Amino acid sequence: KNEVEQSPQNLTAQEGEFITINCSYSVGISALHWLQQHPGGGIVSLFMLSSGKKKHGRLIATINIQEKHSSLHITASHPRDSAVYICAATIGGGADGLTFGKGTHLIIQP
Amino acid sequence: NAGVTQTPKFQVLKTGQSMTLQCAQDMNHNSMYWYRQDPGMGLRLIYYSASEGTTDKGEVPNGYNVSRLNKREFSLRLESAAPSQTSVYFCASSGDRASPPQHFGDGTRLSIL
Repeated sequence: KNEVEQSPQNLTAQEGEFITINCSYSVGISALHWLQQHPGGGIVSLFMLSSGKKKHGRLIATINIQEKHSSLHITASHPRDSAVYICAATIGGGADGLTFGKGTHLIIQP
Repeated sequence: NAGVTQTPKFQVLKTGQSMTLQCAQDMNHNSMYWYRQDPGMGLRLIYYSASEGTTDKGEVPNGYNVSRLNKREFSLRLESAAPSQTSVYFCASSGDRASPPQHFGDGTRLSIL
């Protein structure tokens, strides 16, 4: 089952570029999450969305409930943004956790 | 401020050996989770515990057992390790019983030979 799909799988960009990572889901969800996995393996929760848009520094996350689609944007990208970005959905009651996409491997070149 | 602590960080086992992965959180969270991460696949839930004293199977529970020892600790045991269990294992926690995980450990890289 692939209830959460991300694109692209891999993305290489130059420093300063505007980055967009997409996530689509096929079932009803109660919340959509974006996480960042550092090259060392640690995972950090960036955003949790149920509607609209959230912004934290250079990161912006949006969700369109009707279209079952979310995007993560990075403005003025920097090499330190290089990481795997993971989209995940809370499906149903959420007590059993998240359903994860496969991740987008982002490399920002200086 | 440790958050979620997993031990060990790395481990190599032979097929058939057993081991326990330890996880502890210091945030007084109710819910704890064990995931595995394999190349080309998203994180998959092995087991979770919505509160102290309860555990439930996730998507891929076969070959694993868990114990919610107390509110802080949630361990994952491989009774007879198999090469298919070679993976990176993550423990996570969240404050509410019905909330998905918000805090993750640094992972345990496990290789089964």
